[in-house]
Amino acid sequence: NAGVTQTPKFQVLKTGQSMTLQCAQDMNHEYMSWYRQDPGMGLRLIHYSVGAGITDQGEVPNGYNVSRSTTEDFPLRLLSAAPSQTSVYFCASRITGFSGANVLTFGAGSRLTVL
Amino acid sequence: AQTVTQSQPEMSVQEAETVTLSCTYDTSESNYYLFWYKQPPSRQMILVIRQEAYKQQNATENRFSVNFQKAAKSFSLKISDSQLGDTAMYFCAFLTNRDDKIIFGKGTRLHILP
Repeated sequence: NAGVTQTPKFQVLKTGQSMTLQCAQDMNHEYMSWYRQDPGMGLRLIHYSVGAGITDQGEVPNGYNVSRSTTEDFPLRLLSAAPSQTSVYFCASRITGFSGANVLTFGAGSRLTVL
Repeated sequence: AQTVTQSQPEMSVQEAETVTLSCTYDTSESNYYLFWYKQPPSRQMILVIRQEAYKQQNATENRFSVNFQKAAKSFSLKISDSQLGDTAMYFCAFLTNRDDKIIFGKGTRLHILP
């Protein structure tokens, strides 16, 4: 049972380059989300999805794109990386609805550095 | 806007002592879930404890317990008999039934000293 798998774990980019952070889950969770973690800022929601074909913006969506073509996958795209996007990125998933089972399962995180 | 505030950026306590991490939140919703997550140096996010706003009884999980004060919108985490392995960043978070977003606080970095 792999849970939530993120790749890559580490990445260094130059300003203006593009890249995709991959996220896959095998728990049949309808809800998937991306957070970024910066020192002193906690975890901030970038984008989220409540099912295949449905995505929505979180608190800090600018500079990021997402799509959800399957239940399992939720990639995060940086079209033109900027130094302000240097961060640790977490993908997380859970069941939808409102219950005590709505616990986020997190991936291991991806550390991105933009030079 | 719904917010979560953790007023203690960093704390240190001696091993075996009891420590309390504070969390306050702001929401107009009447029912919601509150969570504490732990992030050790490995960076992995781990659920510590959860609480439903409609439940009067404070949640407990072994050495971890919460003091949930709904009227004060306070949700503190108490760690009893602290251990070196409790050294981590701790995040308070909540989910309301208005939307699907789980909102996190900025975290408290806890050091357990030998």
